[in-house]
Amino acid sequence: QLHLQESGPGLLKPSETLSLTCTVSGGSIISTSHFWGWARQLPGKGLEWITTVFHSGSTYYNPSLKSRLSVSVDTAKNQFSVNLTSVTAADTALYHCVTHGREAYNGGYRPAYFDLWGQGILVTVSS
Amino acid sequence: DIQMTQSPSTLPAAVGDRVTITCRASRRIGVYLAWYQHKPGKAPEVLISEASTLATGVPSRFSGSGSGTDFTLTISSLQPDDFATYYCQQYEDYSYTFGQGTRLEI
Repeated sequence: QLHLQESGPGLLKPSETLSLTCTVSGGSIISTSHFWGWARQLPGKGLEWITTVFHSGSTYYNPSLKSRLSVSVDTAKNQFSVNLTSVTAADTALYHCVTHGREAYNGGYRPAYFDLWGQGILVTVSS
Repeated sequence: DIQMTQSPSTLPAAVGDRVTITCRASRRIGVYLAWYQHKPGKAPEVLISEASTLATGVPSRFSGSGSGTDFTLTISSLQPDDFATYYCQQYEDYSYTFGQGTRLEI
């Protein structure tokens, strides 16, 4: 059974870069059945999708965060990672890695709803 | 971005009640809507996708309906394990926006 586990720093200072890694167990990250993504829950607010990647390198970014984001896959370690630059207090959140279900689109597939979530890692940005 | 408006934000209820949560999209999204359950300290779990398709292992007391802009999640007879926060999410476009959440409380 697929399992996702987030890792990374819990505390950063403003202007630093947040780097989070999700380790996939119980399945392969080069599976064609899944897209791999990140979402976050902002304090007192709702959920926000951040980014998604396919093992082939196709990437999808939240437009509001795109200028600060990069996402990648490490097939050797069965992991995927996200970097968010120039963090501020507004980036304080519980960050989850997720898998997307997929749906047929234009002869291929596109990421759909989130069919599995990691437990999440709390990241605080504070000076 | 597509905005998702969920109501109510809080829903007091009792075991055995039938409850309905609504979600409205700012433009038509077909049936590209999912519902999630989130309990404190646990990972959110998908309940329903494609507006009405129950995820594997989800009890049949949960049901979803709707298309276009208006959707509902219904729990036919509340169980103690159902007290949680529920979110809708559209996946019609690449913003994957969520509703604000509905906290189901005793």
